[in-house]
Amino acid sequence: RKEVEQDPGPFNVPEGATVAFNCTYSNSASQSFFWYRQDCRKEPKLLMSVYSSGNEDGRFTAQLNRASQYISLLIRDSKLSDSATYLCVVNTPGGSGYALNFGKGTSLLVTP
Amino acid sequence: EPEVTQTPSHQVTQMGQEVILRCVPISNHLYFYWYRQILGQKVEFLVSFYNNEISEKSEIFDDQFSVERPDGSNFTLKIRSTKLEDSAMYFCASSGGVWGSSYEQYFGPGTRLTVT
Repeated sequence: RKEVEQDPGPFNVPEGATVAFNCTYSNSASQSFFWYRQDCRKEPKLLMSVYSSGNEDGRFTAQLNRASQYISLLIRDSKLSDSATYLCVVNTPGGSGYALNFGKGTSLLVTP
Repeated sequence: EPEVTQTPSHQVTQMGQEVILRCVPISNHLYFYWYRQILGQKVEFLVSFYNNEISEKSEIFDDQFSVERPDGSNFTLKIRSTKLEDSAMYFCASSGGVWGSSYEQYFGPGTRLTVT
């Protein structure tokens, strides 16, 4: 199984800051890309799917560069409640195509 | 908002025993999954299930594991003869309803399995 690589962090930022996470994936045949967040000892929660054209959801912007096999997540005006681990997730091609391959996650701590 | 539910939240079992982890996927979803996360490690895919059969499984999902959809709502993971290294959080997920993307998977709160 090919890997999804993320900077583990931790990223410590003050409230209101902008923070960016990056991710690379190794299987060029992957077709579906996501960002999940995971709070300590909780389940991964879908934050957003990532589309080739880039997409935005409120304070969150995701970008995909298929040529570089690179995915990013930008969080603007960060809130204390954004503190979590952010998981870069890519589908595994072949088989059903639905198996998700998770990165180890990037830890974010937003401080007052 | 519909959600995936899992029971029990925590299961303690002795090595060699069989356990059944239960999940109720989101009601109109068609695809079901099990993942696991060993403490401090990444989430790992175990198996996907569609149309009452396994559609894909990982190398982790060996003969010790089985899945079943015994009725219209439950989805179970059975682990026969548990080993110490099976201790992990097991997450059920579902995707692919009429209104949703087949690829966007929603996770349940997990069952923490401790094998002693």
